[in-house]
Order: sequence, then C-alpha cells, then structure tokens
Amino acid sequence: EPEVTQTPSHQVTQMGQEVILRCVPISNHLYFYWYRQILGQKVEFLVSFYNNEISEKSEIFDDQFSVERPDGSNFTLKIRSTKLEDSAMYFCASSEFGGTNEKLFFGSGTQLSVL
Amino acid sequence: GIQVEQSPPDLILQEGANSTLRCNFSDSVNNLQWFHQNPWGQLINLFYIPSGTKQNGRLSATTVATERYSLLYISSSQTTDSGVYFCAGKNYGGSQGNLIFGKGTKLSVKP
Repeated sequence: EPEVTQTPSHQVTQMGQEVILRCVPISNHLYFYWYRQILGQKVEFLVSFYNNEISEKSEIFDDQFSVERPDGSNFTLKIRSTKLEDSAMYFCASSEFGGTNEKLFFGSGTQLSVL
Repeated sequence: GIQVEQSPPDLILQEGANSTLRCNFSDSVNNLQWFHQNPWGQLINLFYIPSGTKQNGRLSATTVATERYSLLYISSSQTTDSGVYFCAGKNYGGSQGNLIFGKGTKLSVKP
C-alpha cells in the first residue's frame, strides 16, 4: 500500500540553526500538508500546498517557515532559525483530493529537538 | 474557528470489551475524519466520514452532521487498539479550510 515517507525520523539541532524536513507524498496525490504535534498535545495545522503554491497557512507558520516542492516527488519544510519552542513531531500528509473530499494520509513524522 | 471536543479524554479497557468514543463540533463540518495514533506516534486514517455510518472490521463510525457529532465504536478491543484516537473536521468554504483536530481520547487496552 502506498505511503507517505518522511526523513529523518529524528533531528536534533541547536537553537538558531536551519533545518529541512523532507517528505515524499503518495505519488498520485496533489495536496500536501505539514502538521506538528508538541509532546502530549493535539495535532496542529501548519500549511497546505497545492499546484506549487501555499493554499493556506496557520499563524504558527511565520516567516521562519517555508515549504518547497523542489522536484516531482519531494516536499520539504524548512525552518530558518530554530527556536526551543519549535521542538515537536512534524508530520507530512498528502491527499488525492482537496476541499470537502480531502482525506489525509500521514507520514511517520520527524521528531525535531531544538537544544 | 471550529472547536472540536472529544470524550472521554482517557479510557482503560479490558481486552474484549467494547467502547464508544465521541467527538462534538461547535459548528457544522463537511469533512470529518478519525485517526489512530499508535504508541510509536504514527497517525493512521481510520475513517473519512462526513455523514452516515461506515464499518471497517471491528471499528465503525457514525456521524450525525445535523447534530454536529461523530461516534467511533470499537468492538472486542485488542491490546493493539491502544493509542490515541483523534477526530478532525473542517468546514470547507468557511473561514478555516484546514482540518481541526480534537485533543484525542487516550485508550489503553489491558490483556
């Protein structure tokens, strides 16, 4: 069964460093997302991406965050200058359809620890 | 934006027992999904169920859109059902087009 893959599974970085989290969505999916989950808390929306541009972003997704689809398969989340409060599990998701028919499939996540 | 409330927050079951998890929405939704987060952190999509009833093995879900709630039924629970169950919904075309998650129900199934 096709799945969303994320790398790395764990990332440890120093405060102020840049990190890039990578995702390979399911191949026939057109809608891509990043969510995050701070330990023990609920899953929060960061950004959605369709047709090579951001569709929607939350207030969490400030100027320190960016997303890119550099080629036909990868979807990346970049945090330019990490803060302690960026420590969380970051999930990539994809969906074949959007709008009311959106059905999300999540990757296994990247656990980001900012020291 | 939409508020999502899940109950109960925690649930402990003996293996073989049945359970019902509930999700209430503060506003109407036209997209509703249930997810299981296993102990390894993976989020598995269980159901896409904006209305009606669906069944998948020992799991079933019912959404009553007009009354803004959804129920997830787990029958004959197994230890592998342990984890956190999230519901998430959105009202596409409203002010927030992204899925809003509840805080989850943490289920522990004891052997």
